[in-house]
Amino acid sequence: GAVVSQHPSWVICKSGTSVKIECRSLDFQATTMFWYRQFPKQSLMLMATSNEGSKATYEQGVEKDKFLINHASLTLSTLTVTSAHPEDSSFYICSARDLGGQYEQYFGPGTRLTVT
Amino acid sequence: TQLLEQSPQFLSIQEGENLTVYCNSSSVFSSLQWYRQEPGEGPVLLVTVVTGGEVKKLKRLTFQFGDARKDSSLHITAAQPGDTGLYLCAGAKDNFNKFYFGSGTKLNVKP
Repeated sequence: GAVVSQHPSWVICKSGTSVKIECRSLDFQATTMFWYRQFPKQSLMLMATSNEGSKATYEQGVEKDKFLINHASLTLSTLTVTSAHPEDSSFYICSARDLGGQYEQYFGPGTRLTVT
Repeated sequence: TQLLEQSPQFLSIQEGENLTVYCNSSSVFSSLQWYRQEPGEGPVLLVTVVTGGEVKKLKRLTFQFGDARKDSSLHITAAQPGDTGLYLCAGAKDNFNKFYFGSGTKLNVKP
């Protein structure tokens, strides 16, 4: 159980375009989902916390107008990278907290974004 | 600035050796989790520790949460090549609404 999927698994886009990444909890409901960014050979950096039905909470230094987060249902959160630039190229990972659980967060497989 | 510091950053050992990875902070956490991550994949949860002083064992892996809930350690006995990967600790704050990751320890176990 506790499976989280992400789509797409990798995407290449041109500079200036927008890209949407989906995060789904497949077998549980998640009121809270988290979005992380990971650069090569580095740890995960929390970008924002997404709560179902309310606005996302962004970490300091993360532009909310550039990284749009929508958490429309208990099983889906989306991250849209708007007007992407090469420096936005990274590995984006989401995680979800089980509504019925307490401490754990379960991670998706990640999305590799390359902006050319 | 990383809230959680892991050491060592890199570790390359022979199969059968023991090792310990440390995760330290000046902050108190509600809980602390350990993950292992393979390249190009999301982290996989190994364990969650919640109580100060708690020790959990998972086969050859032993996890300990510091008494003050500011630090943790992961000890692997008789390491195997399958243990190779990036080990990450993550601390929870704000009533488990935020998780902060450590800097990571890249482990390579040579056969």
